[in-house]
Amino acid sequence: TQLLEQSPQFLSIQEGENLTVYCNSSSVFSSLQWYRQEPGEGPVLLVTVVTGGEVKKLKRLTFQFGDARKDSSLHITAAQPGDTGLYLCAGGSFDSWGKLQFGAGTQVVVTP
Amino acid sequence: GAGVSQTPSNKVTEKGKYVELRCDPISGHTALYWYRQSLGQGPEFLIYFQGTGAADDSGLPNDRFFAVRPEGSVSTLKIQRTERGDSAVYLCASTLAPGANEQFFGPGTRLTVL
Repeated sequence: TQLLEQSPQFLSIQEGENLTVYCNSSSVFSSLQWYRQEPGEGPVLLVTVVTGGEVKKLKRLTFQFGDARKDSSLHITAAQPGDTGLYLCAGGSFDSWGKLQFGAGTQVVVTP
Repeated sequence: GAGVSQTPSNKVTEKGKYVELRCDPISGHTALYWYRQSLGQGPEFLIYFQGTGAADDSGLPNDRFFAVRPEGSVSTLKIQRTERGDSAVYLCASTLAPGANEQFFGPGTRLTVL
């Protein structure tokens, strides 16, 4: 059972379009991380957000942490085929350093 | 300077057999984590080590699963009496210190129990 619910489960878009992936929970997290995973590889960290209401921008990616620290979103502007992958959100625990709770992921496919 | 490595990359075994999965963390990383990822799911936390000791093993599903890190570096995840439901990709990650922002993941070991 995943504490973090991600939506949508699957997203297929054309190159140049924008997309948003959501991560929601009823639990409060110490931090929220976003990872991208490609087939046959482990997840790779994209960003960590720790403050409620925080917004971080990394080139074409914008990450937002909800005010109540229960939800987050990832927005990609002008998607490129290289953005294809499984996007995972992961919540940090207050009572166990390093323990991450992952969502089930959103599979994003960007076609040329 | 290599990343986290895991061996074997693939393991096929029969129901009831014993398996060991190995993780070599990044040199100097004191914290090591094991996760299990089933098809269509995100990684599920199993256990993490700070040095040689298991700091949190709350994710181990039952007593058939055991992990060690005797010298504070390499770790082995051991599964006894394997069941078909144990089939998954087992991921290992390491960080410089517990709670450090970025967990560096290995490529995983794909375990198939027939």
